[in-house]
Amino acid sequence: SAVISQKPSRDICQRGTSLTIQCQVDSQVTMMFWYRQQPGQSLTLIATANQGSEATYESGFVIDKFPISRPNLTFSTLTVSNMSPEDSSIYLCSVRDRDARTEAFFGQGTRLTVV
Amino acid sequence: DAKTTQPPSMDCAEGRAANLPCNHSTISGNEYVYWYRQIHSQGPQYIIHGLKNNETNEMASLIITEDRKSSTLILPHATLRDTAVYYCLLVGAGSYQLTFGKGTKLSVIP
Repeated sequence: SAVISQKPSRDICQRGTSLTIQCQVDSQVTMMFWYRQQPGQSLTLIATANQGSEATYESGFVIDKFPISRPNLTFSTLTVSNMSPEDSSIYLCSVRDRDARTEAFFGQGTRLTVV
Repeated sequence: DAKTTQPPSMDCAEGRAANLPCNHSTISGNEYVYWYRQIHSQGPQYIIHGLKNNETNEMASLIITEDRKSSTLILPHATLRDTAVYYCLLVGAGSYQLTFGKGTKLSVIP
């Protein structure tokens, strides 16, 4: 299993500002992902964080808005840039090994409110 | 990954078995059926997964039909702490991302 620590757990931010969310895992993992969960909705994959290279973004998400770093196998950051109230969501970090027979683990999420 | 269909909500009496259905009629041969749940204000939690055979662990049982077009998650003795949104997902052997549908909101009633 993997234990994931996300920081901050919640924040209230002014529109136009940026917030960087950190994800720390207690063991080396192959795959790291960032999800968004808008109020009352299911989880939507933002991107796959790749170690040492640019993240792979899903349709509808762009690097300028959600820059991601992954300097090593245990740490990643997601920045929500130039925030608007529509960015108010829970942002979740997830990790998994490449083997489809293994489960994914999720952090507790960062609850972001943009005012 | 193929899509799944789940009822939007279900109720279950405390202490009774909760049976949560999932339809996945277009499942591919190499796709696993996974179940996760999300308790309010927490990250999703893995429950169980299977390919063809029925599976059981300390949390639940997974029953997959012979044609693999549907499955049922069984919580044998539901408690109030099992109140959550339950997601059924299909994950291919070569896939790494998880695609979440809307899930089933299970309410365990005292």
